[in-house]
Amino acid sequence: GENVEQHPSTLSVQEGDSAVIKCTYSDSASNYFPWYKQELGKGPQLIIDIRSNVGEKKDQRIAVTLNKTAKHFSLHITETQPEDSAVYFCAPRESGYALNFGKGTSLLVTP
Amino acid sequence: SQTIHQWPATLVQPVGSPLSLECTVEGTSNPNLYWYRQAAGRGLQLLFYSVGIGQISSEVPQNLSASRPQDRQFILSSKKLLLSDSGFYLCAWSPRSNEQYFGPGTRLTVT
Repeated sequence: GENVEQHPSTLSVQEGDSAVIKCTYSDSASNYFPWYKQELGKGPQLIIDIRSNVGEKKDQRIAVTLNKTAKHFSLHITETQPEDSAVYFCAPRESGYALNFGKGTSLLVTP
Repeated sequence: SQTIHQWPATLVQPVGSPLSLECTVEGTSNPNLYWYRQAAGRGLQLLFYSVGIGQISSEVPQNLSASRPQDRQFILSSKKLLLSDSGFYLCAWSPRSNEQYFGPGTRLTVT
């Protein structure tokens, strides 16, 4: 199965700074690359995703970049706000139905 | 718009007791449905998925079972709970594409 790793496991930034979380995967057949945000006690929320025929996608303060050759994709959050504090998961998918979740990155944005 | 419901929100059950968690989706038809489990501080593990009524695929051997009696209803069950069944159970749905959308989750504690 897919081997998925996220780095860093924890990240602390000051409000207004940028945050970057990287996800590496092992299966070169992966073709769908989402990022989820999970707040304490809630279900994960899909915040952005990218497909293998696109290198970058942006949605306001959030962006995802994909490097298929190197088998990694990254989440970029600019102008961070305290409400961005949460656990973020990448979940690349090959074919079939299963998303392969990383172990998560805990982001803390301090005022 | 589509919504996904799970109940109960929290549950405390003794070892050896039965379990029934329910998930329903509104605003869509013929969705793919999924059950995930999340252990404390960890990523999500896919337990079951279903592509249609009565069609269940199991991803990991375990003490649990799943059923889909109606198009938009997905049930997770156990005849006898184990301590190791404690966790945060998440239901998700997807259209016939890549994105998966999660419910609010059920926190199960087995004592």
